[in-house]
Amino acid sequence: GNSVTQMEGPVTLSEEAFLTINCTYTATGYPSLFWYVQYPGEGLQLLLKATKADDKGSNKGFEATYRKETTSFHLEKGSVQVSDSAVYFCALLKTSYDKVIFGPGTSLSVIP
Amino acid sequence: GAVVSQHPSWVICKSGTSVKIECRSLDFQATTMFWYRQFPKQSLMLMATSNEGSKATYEQGVEKDKFLINHASLTLSTLTVTSAHPEDSSFYICSAKADRGLTYEQYFGPGTRLTVT
Repeated sequence: GNSVTQMEGPVTLSEEAFLTINCTYTATGYPSLFWYVQYPGEGLQLLLKATKADDKGSNKGFEATYRKETTSFHLEKGSVQVSDSAVYFCALLKTSYDKVIFGPGTSLSVIP
Repeated sequence: GAVVSQHPSWVICKSGTSVKIECRSLDFQATTMFWYRQFPKQSLMLMATSNEGSKATYEQGVEKDKFLINHASLTLSTLTVTSAHPEDSSFYICSAKADRGLTYEQYFGPGTRLTVT
């Protein structure tokens, strides 16, 4: 079946460090891929998405590239800020009739 | 952008009572809405898919008589937790599907924190 795997957290980084959160997926065909962010006590916000292979999603300095050959969608940011502290969820969606499948989430803490 | 609201944002109720949570799409119509449950430090678990004008589809292991879902209009879905117990305490999040041509996006509400005492 369809599934999403993320690197386990928590991840703790110093401000201005480089961030990578690994995400790999299992699905047939070409699912759409998403990164959502959840700040403490809040709901989910769509951070970025990619709908086909080699697409790069980007937003607020975050980037992720849809790699079909490695079935990956790793999240990166060149210089994290304290305000980036949150839980990040990788997710996939196969078709408009399917459910969004979430990864387990990766907690990020950025310290000054 | 598309906005989804939830009401209330948090609620405390006594064991044995029922609680209703509303999910509204504010600036778009949503034929399909989803209800998720999230335990602390865990991912979202899909509880049910709510379709306007028809019965909800529940995921395996979710008690449909316990978690009543009504999607009465294209902008409103409600989740009622009946005879709530402390183990029902959780963060409930809804999302609404917005059809946009060949693709669609899900927009998430801010969540409702339920505490059953």
